[in-house]
Amino acid sequence: GAVVSQHPSRVICKSGTSVKIECRSLDFQATTMFWYRQFPKQSLMLMATSNEGSKATYEQGVEKDKFLINHASLTLSTLTVTSAHPEDSSFYICSARIRHYQETQYFGPGTRLLVL
Amino acid sequence: SQQGEEDPQALSIQEGENATMNCSYKTSINNLQWYRQNSGRGLVHLILIRSNEREKHSGRLRVTLDTSKKSSSLLITASRAADTASYFCATDRITGANSKLTFGKGITLSVRP
Repeated sequence: GAVVSQHPSRVICKSGTSVKIECRSLDFQATTMFWYRQFPKQSLMLMATSNEGSKATYEQGVEKDKFLINHASLTLSTLTVTSAHPEDSSFYICSARIRHYQETQYFGPGTRLLVL
Repeated sequence: SQQGEEDPQALSIQEGENATMNCSYKTSINNLQWYRQNSGRGLVHLILIRSNEREKHSGRLRVTLDTSKKSSSLLITASRAADTASYFCATDRITGANSKLTFGKGITLSVRP
């Protein structure tokens, strides 16, 4: 089956620093990747949708300048949390689809971010 | 915004019993999917049911979909302790140029050995 990896799996950073999270599709080309955020004991909230080679589409309430998304290739998307604050601490999960309307979405294992 | 609402929010059963989880949603969908998440881990896709399907089986899983009532149920038969996890329903619908997956709040299932 299709595998999506995320790196790092856990990161601790100081308030004010930026953190980059990578999402890779290991054995398929992903034209569309999604970034979700999940707070403890809550559901996944979609942050943004990124299509390879174009700008990401952000959900309402998600700051574009705070959460920078780059989908530079068909196998890699990155999420950069800029000037991180403690309230950005969360579990960030990416997922990928092979084609725009492909039914199956493949999820990465998630990245736990803790901002001190 | 969340589309799916699962109930119950938490379910505790004895190993061997069946677990039934329900999901309701608000708008039209292309398909509905169920996922499992173990604590602190990523999501595992369990089963997908399309809007023109009414029932689907996969191993010990049985999912139903009633589009007139905008609801779905997931049945896990002969539960095992390893089934302990959070379960999410997610609705898939096309919005604009992309297809979006929207998750419910989740159900915490505890299976007692």
